[in-house]
Amino acid sequence: TQLLEQSPQFLSIQEGENLTVYCNSSSVFSSLQWYRQEPGEGPVLLVTVVTGGEVKKLKRLTFQFGDARKDSSLHITAAQPGDTGLYLCAGGRSEKLVFGKGTKLTVNP
Amino acid sequence: NAGVTQTPKFRVLKTGQSMTLLCAQDMNHEYMYWYRQDPGMGLRLIHYSVGEGTTAKGEVPDGYNVSRLKKQNFLLGLESAAPSQTSVYFCASRPGLAGFGQFFGPGTRLTVL
Repeated sequence: TQLLEQSPQFLSIQEGENLTVYCNSSSVFSSLQWYRQEPGEGPVLLVTVVTGGEVKKLKRLTFQFGDARKDSSLHITAAQPGDTGLYLCAGGRSEKLVFGKGTKLTVNP
Repeated sequence: NAGVTQTPKFRVLKTGQSMTLLCAQDMNHEYMYWYRQDPGMGLRLIHYSVGEGTTAKGEVPDGYNVSRLKKQNFLLGLESAAPSQTSVYFCASRPGLAGFGQFFGPGTRLTVL
């Protein structure tokens, strides 16, 4: 059973475009985290959101946690080739995390 | 600080062989985790530990054992490797306080022939 559904699975865009990826669940999580993973490396934490409705901005990245704490979105403004990677969302469950399968983003120059 | 390190980076085993993957962290984190990552399956939790001397099963524990004898180390063992255990294995750690993210190691790519 996949508790966290990410969409889209794959996204290929041109440099300068905006994009949004989604992370949805029917379950409530205590926190929602987003990670970025590059080929051959481990995931790297981008942000943690813990309050329903919370919005966090990290330069060109905007993260939102749904009011009911069941879903989240990641919006990237003016994407750059350096944003290319696998974006993973993860929901907090006690001391563990439940990961989505990821969105593979390719930003073409 | 080295963060989270994993040894080895690559390994090829024959079916039935055993091996141990070592994870070490120098951040004094309480919690440590072992995941496997397979194409189309995402990251799946194998075992985890909430402190020295403690371990618990995750989502896919069968065929694996773990030990946390020292706070900074978390070992993952395969007693009798199977081709289904071919995967990339990641170790992660985090502080014991709620709301903190996990810090991942660089991964070990294991192939079982």
